Order: sequence, then C-alpha cells, then structure tokens
Amino acid sequence: ETGVTQTPRHLVMGMTNKKSLKCEQHLGHNAMYWYKQSAKKPLELMFVYSLEERVENNSVPSRFSPECPNSSHLFLHLHTLQPEDSALYLCASSQFRQGGPYEQYFGPGTRLTVT
Amino acid sequence: DAKTTQPPSMDCAEGRAANLPCNHSTISGNEYVYWYRQIHSQGPQYIIHGLKNNETNEMASLIITEDRKSSTLILPHATLRDTAVYYCIVRVSGAGSYQLTFGKGTKLSVIP
Repeated sequence: ETGVTQTPRHLVMGMTNKKSLKCEQHLGHNAMYWYKQSAKKPLELMFVYSLEERVENNSVPSRFSPECPNSSHLFLHLHTLQPEDSALYLCASSQFRQGGPYEQYFGPGTRLTVT
Repeated sequence: DAKTTQPPSMDCAEGRAANLPCNHSTISGNEYVYWYRQIHSQGPQYIIHGLKNNETNEMASLIITEDRKSSTLILPHATLRDTAVYYCIVRVSGAGSYQLTFGKGTKLSVIP
C-alpha cells in the first residue's frame, strides 16, 4: 500500500461512453499527477496539479479532462475515446519542495480497455 | 536531466544480496539519484533517493561513488517478490518539468 488509491482497477468502455477515473491520496501531499503507460512504451506524463492548480499539461487530447477538487482527490474524465487510448492509467502524488528532492508515490493504476 | 545507463537484465539467487548498478557520468551537482521499481502490470514504486551520501531505508541501500558518476542499489536479502524492473533516474529537484523519465531499466529476476 502506497497511500494512493485508484478506482476502478479495470474498466472496459465503448468509444461513445463517458467515464471517470478516480484517485485519492492519503499522504498529505500537495501535488498529484496522471500518467499513461501503454504496452512496451515508457511512462508518459499527462497532467500535473500542484496545490490544486494545473501546472503541466503535456499536449493531451481534449477527450481526456482532468479535475482536482482538492489536494487529496484527482479525477480523469474520459469521453469519446479511441482504441489506442487503451492503457494503464497511473495516478501519483508527491510533496513538492522548492529546491529539494521529491519522490512520487504511485497508485496501482486503472487498466482501461476501449472497444 | 542526466542520462543513465543500466544493464538490461540481472539474476539473483533468493536470499542473496542483489546489487544493481547505474552509470550517470554526466550528473551535475544539484541532481539527485532516484530508484524506482515496477512489478509487472503494477504502478511504479519509489525505493530510495540520494544526493552525495550513501542512504539506507527499510527497502534498500544506495551507494553513490565519491565522484557521483555511478551508484548501486542494494537489496540485502532478495526475495521472489523483488522480481521487477528497476529504474535509476537522475534529475534536478524543485524546478522545471515534473516529468519522471523512466528509461529501460534493469529487469531483475530472483531465482528460487
């Protein structure tokens, strides 16, 4: 247990569906992240929230929409996805300190399959 | 962030120490060394980090050479559950992109 939980763990959705992924961190951290991991590809950073403000958005298609209502919760809203969006979606959190180290703690991931 | 080089794979007998090397010869003075691992189909797991001094926690020890150009992660008594891909990452902290760049890592197989 890393203190970061994700639900659901598995999700199958059609291309016309709308669904949301949820992440919750119990570590008192001030930054949260969404990553995408496709088969045999390195981890790709999608979004970063620091102190509930989006600070990084790495050219992610608009069919992915993040939401961070508070420092403990992070959502990824999905709509009209494509089959190539099938991947493991990982949430992480860290305590950001200017000039200091900060390790990221990952959740178990949501395995998404788009049919 | 400095580039790292790791062997693609290693084997270790169960109960023995696993020593995983990482070369980071272009590391700069304000870059930390981080180690993560990823067990198949799970999220990456943070293990340990260091700047100059050797570090130890409940999971592992990190030995950094005096010139900081290489480091070794030591799992003192490897178990079958330590079979995973281990990633060495070197990065500046507290500024710039939040991206964690995972390379190909070392696939550690712990053998019964």
